[in-house]
Amino acid sequence: GENVEQHPSTLSVQEGDSAVIKCTYSDSASNYFPWYKQELGKRPQLIIDIRSNVGEKKDQRIAVTLNKTAKHFSLHITETQPEDSAVYFCAASRTASYDKVIFGPGTSLSVIP
Amino acid sequence: GAVVSQHPSWVICKSGTSVKIECRSLDFQATTMFWYRQFPKQSLMLMATSNEGSKATYEQGVEKDKFLINHASLTLSTLTVTSAHPEDSSFYICSAPIGLAYNEQFFGPGTRLTVL
Repeated sequence: GENVEQHPSTLSVQEGDSAVIKCTYSDSASNYFPWYKQELGKRPQLIIDIRSNVGEKKDQRIAVTLNKTAKHFSLHITETQPEDSAVYFCAASRTASYDKVIFGPGTSLSVIP
Repeated sequence: GAVVSQHPSWVICKSGTSVKIECRSLDFQATTMFWYRQFPKQSLMLMATSNEGSKATYEQGVEKDKFLINHASLTLSTLTVTSAHPEDSSFYICSAPIGLAYNEQFFGPGTRLTVL
C-alpha cells in the first residue's frame, strides 16, 4: 500500500522567511497530492493540491512542486506570518473517489513574530 | 460548498460501553466515506472505507468487530466503537470525496471521544 513520509517533523521560522516541507510517496499509481493545514482540535483544511499532470502550482504565498519520477513533492510558503503556525500534512491518493487518501506524519510549523 | 457534518462533536463514556458517531454529507451524496483516527500530536490514520450498501473495507490492524461501520444511505455513515476502552480515546474524523475528476476530500469537524 501507499506510504507517505514527511520532513521535517517540526519547523521554526522567523516571520517573513520561507518554509519548505518535503514529502515522498511509494505508490507510483498515486496522482493526486493534497496539502492540509490543521489547527489544534479542528478538521484538516485543504490549502493546495497538485495533480500528476503538472509539476508546479502556486496560489499566492503557497506553492507546491511535484517530481513524479523521484516520487517527491514539496510545499513552499513564502513571507510566512504568525497565522501560518499550524500542523501541515501532505497526502497522496489515486484518482477515483473511492481511493483512499494516505497522510504523511505531519510537520508542526511555528512562525516566530 | 460541500459540507460534511459529524455528531456528536465530543463524547465522554465509561469503559465497556458503546459509542456511535454519525457522519453526514449535507448537500451532496457520498457512496464512499472514510473514517480516520487521530491521536494527540499524530497524523490522521485511515481506519476504514465506508461503502454505501456494502461492507466497509478495514485497514490492516483495525478490528472490524470493534469498530462497526454502517453506510445505510448516500448521506450517512456511522461508526460505532463497541466496548470502548481508554485506549480508544481519540479524535475521530470522517471524510467524503467530492471531486469529480480527482479525489478531493471534505472532512467532518471531528468527534473527540474520551473513555473513562
